[in-house]
Amino acid sequence: QKEVEQDPGPLSVPEGAIVSLNCTYSNSAFQYFMWYRQYSRKGPELLMYTYSSGNKEDGRFTAQVDKSSKYISLFIRDSQPSDSATYLCAMSPNAGGTSYGKLTFGQGTILTVHP
Amino acid sequence: NAGVMQNPRHLVRRRGQEARLRCSPMKGHSHVYWYRQLPEEGLKFMVYLQKENIIDESGMPKERFSAEFPKEGPSILRIQQVVRGDSAAYFCASSPLQSSYNEQFFGPGTRLTVL
Repeated sequence: QKEVEQDPGPLSVPEGAIVSLNCTYSNSAFQYFMWYRQYSRKGPELLMYTYSSGNKEDGRFTAQVDKSSKYISLFIRDSQPSDSATYLCAMSPNAGGTSYGKLTFGQGTILTVHP
Repeated sequence: NAGVMQNPRHLVRRRGQEARLRCSPMKGHSHVYWYRQLPEEGLKFMVYLQKENIIDESGMPKERFSAEFPKEGPSILRIQQVVRGDSAAYFCASSPLQSSYNEQFFGPGTRLTVL
């Protein structure tokens, strides 16, 4: 079983739709949760990061973490064609452990927003 | 402020040759991370370095791969005697302080092709 599971999609939505992207994980040591966006043949771009459980909002993006269910989500409101990319969730344990610099990524979800 | 820089962007090697990938972190960043992205797979952690120190190399293959981050100059990921299975995109990331290790900013990647 992978430490982080993410549905690869692909996911296709019309412009203006609300997009929901999700990841589940098995390692209870994960404390930091990140979402990256990666355009084709480019490097990942950090979108959001959260610590422990809760919500965080930034413009059209909202990240949610439910540690009790080991489930994280990214919501994109009013989606635009420019949001078409691969979205990667990533996680890391708290500082002090042996792997605190290591991000564990999901496989990525391919999103297409069509006009 | 320039982002993380990687060169070369594309590298072609024949089996048995050596590949050297370079990474210059963002200004003010002293922590460097290397990840590998194989076709149809997510990003996999390889190694975490600080200046002149390897902090975590748990993701590095035991043979042929090495990494360094000298006091002066870029970080280098070195692959000796490359094989076709080494063909992948190699990404470098950097972070500013140990307390922000989870905020890792990625470079554009080096795409290695082994013939």
